[in-house]
Amino acid sequence: GAGVSQSPSNKVTEKGKDVELRCDPISGHTALYWYRQSLGQGLEFLIYFQGNSAPDKSGLPSDRFSAERTGGSVSTLTIQRTQQEDSAVYLCASSFRDSGAKNIQYFGAGTRLSVL
Amino acid sequence: KQEVTQIPAALSVPEGENLVLNCSFTDSAIYNLQWFRQDPGKGLTSLLLIQSSQREQTSGRLNASLDKSSGRSTLYIAASQPGDSATYLCAVRGYAGGTSYGKLTFGQGTILTVHP
Repeated sequence: GAGVSQSPSNKVTEKGKDVELRCDPISGHTALYWYRQSLGQGLEFLIYFQGNSAPDKSGLPSDRFSAERTGGSVSTLTIQRTQQEDSAVYLCASSFRDSGAKNIQYFGAGTRLSVL
Repeated sequence: KQEVTQIPAALSVPEGENLVLNCSFTDSAIYNLQWFRQDPGKGLTSLLLIQSSQREQTSGRLNASLDKSSGRSTLYIAASQPGDSATYLCAVRGYAGGTSYGKLTFGQGTILTVHP
């Protein structure tokens, strides 16, 4: 596709369940980022991938959160044993490369996660 | 730790007005600053990106300025239209050690409503 694609667009789950969120970056983009947008916290960085490696995982809030990227393309963010405070919109972004003067991140529409 | 603040939190203006959105950041060691627009249920759209060495960028009715030393940026919207109604987010990209990762730190946003 032409843009960053995220699925599902909405996810409702019960507390304690595991969830997987998927991100398809723009073809050819080597850098991929996950952010979380929640009420009261704004938009927060979670993790950054360059290719399949994650040089910066500093934003992951706990060890219940993990992410992987395979083939330098699709990324999956996994939340184990979900808690109500995990409810938020999870946004994925990609850019052609991380370095460079005009690195622009292109964002997907996000996955709205609701933990009941 | 970088902190980004946007003022005002919300703004309602009649169509045709010129308006200014403000963004301030605490750490002036930034690589660049971006202004994004977010529409309900959609991802972020990059409006303008200003490199740390630049003072301003213009795109159509939008003009963004950057004063890195004072930690401030403004987004000027000329002749506002109802279609400009959205949330406007300011984000800074800082340095991480010797490598400029793409991690963005966002402000809380300004919710703009332009009424006919």
